[in-house]
Amino acid sequence: GAVVSQHPSWVICKSGTSVKIECRSLDFQATTMFWYRQFPKQSLMLMATSNEGSKATYEQGVEKDKFLINHASLTLSTLTVTSAHPEDSSFYICSVARHEGPYEQYFGPGTRLTVT
Amino acid sequence: GQNIDQPTEMTATEGAIVQINCTYQTSGFNGLFWYQQHAGEAPTFLSYNVLDGLEEKGRFSSFLSRSKGYSYLLLKELQMKDSASYLCAVTDSNYQLIWGAGTKLIIKP
Repeated sequence: GAVVSQHPSWVICKSGTSVKIECRSLDFQATTMFWYRQFPKQSLMLMATSNEGSKATYEQGVEKDKFLINHASLTLSTLTVTSAHPEDSSFYICSVARHEGPYEQYFGPGTRLTVT
Repeated sequence: GQNIDQPTEMTATEGAIVQINCTYQTSGFNGLFWYQQHAGEAPTFLSYNVLDGLEEKGRFSSFLSRSKGYSYLLLKELQMKDSASYLCAVTDSNYQLIWGAGTKLIIKP
């Protein structure tokens, strides 16, 4: 497997502020990381694919100017939720995938964001 | 389009056996995964199938039929801690992981 950490595990912020979430791959170098969002009682929704050293690839409907992704090293990707609003309250999960088969993804523990 | 179907919710009794089905239509196929997700937690990897047949791992088994676009996850000797959502996911020809909506499994004593 792979060990993935996320920080913080939970955060409460006021509407209009920005929040940064970190995702770290602790035991292998991840050229690709994924960011998901999950609303209560719903399935995972892929937001973007984070590629080390290049721009992230965002899924349709995800605002790239609102959800800033930086994958500056092979072990760290960050997601910044800018000008957060209550509707951004969700469970944000990152994952890493090996580039040799079978390409399973290993998930971080998730970050619960509450915007008041 | 790409689609993965699995039942929304299932209920089973502690000690029994339950089978969670998953059907898929994707552009290409490079493997099928099953993940377990407890409420409020991130998913954890359960199994991977890329060839037809049954893969057994303790109380959990996963089956794949590529010609039918079908898989199932079989859970035996159910325990209360198995109450969780079970996510089916398929890797397509571009190695993108396509996720099902998940099946919420409720275990009753």
